[in-house]
Amino acid sequence: AQTVTQSQPEMSVQEAETVTLSCTYDTSENNYYLFWYKQPPSRQMILVIRQEAYKQQNATENRFSVNFQKAAKSFSLKISDSQLGDTAMYFCASQYNNNDMRFGAGTRLTVKP
Amino acid sequence: NAGVTQTPKFRILKIGQSMTLQCAQDMNHNYMYWYRQDPGMGLKLIYYSVGAGITDKGEVPNGYNVSRSTTEDFPLRLELAAPSQTSVYFCASSYSQGAREKLLFGSGTQLSVL
Repeated sequence: AQTVTQSQPEMSVQEAETVTLSCTYDTSENNYYLFWYKQPPSRQMILVIRQEAYKQQNATENRFSVNFQKAAKSFSLKISDSQLGDTAMYFCASQYNNNDMRFGAGTRLTVKP
Repeated sequence: NAGVTQTPKFRILKIGQSMTLQCAQDMNHNYMYWYRQDPGMGLKLIYYSVGAGITDKGEVPNGYNVSRSTTEDFPLRLELAAPSQTSVYFCASSYSQGAREKLLFGSGTQLSVL
């Protein structure tokens, strides 16, 4: 079974600074996908970034980038130039087949002005 | 284009009551999912469907039932509500299988069983 672990229940960062959220996972599969989702107070789940395990290049989406370490089973999210609108819960997730996406417990990020 | 629509947004049930959470999507997506999110936790898959007439269990199916008579609708049924089912329920859909396809979520239903 897959497990996803987020070891930081809460994080805070000053506006315009950079923050890194940690995620580790455990899977015996060779081909899988990893995700970071953002959940603002509105409760809406919003896909932030996605990484395919067979791709060595780290995914990047504007201010969001990942550090994917396949051997270490680590998938951290870096948010650069943090904005107040980045305040939210962030969930790391893994998926190795079509219908079994596993989520971590989340990290609550607060961006301070 | 409304996306994924869930109703109701909030509901309080008494122990033993039944209810149906509604989920509809207007994007002609084949794949639909129901997740629950317990306080302070990530989402867990309850049931999913790969097309009309086809459903299957996810990680936490006990106490729930689903049906998929049309492509658009994927209702989730709670037959005998229990306090352990207090949670936020999310419906999601995608056009095709695989993580290449973006999963779109509804805005959630907050359910309390007292």
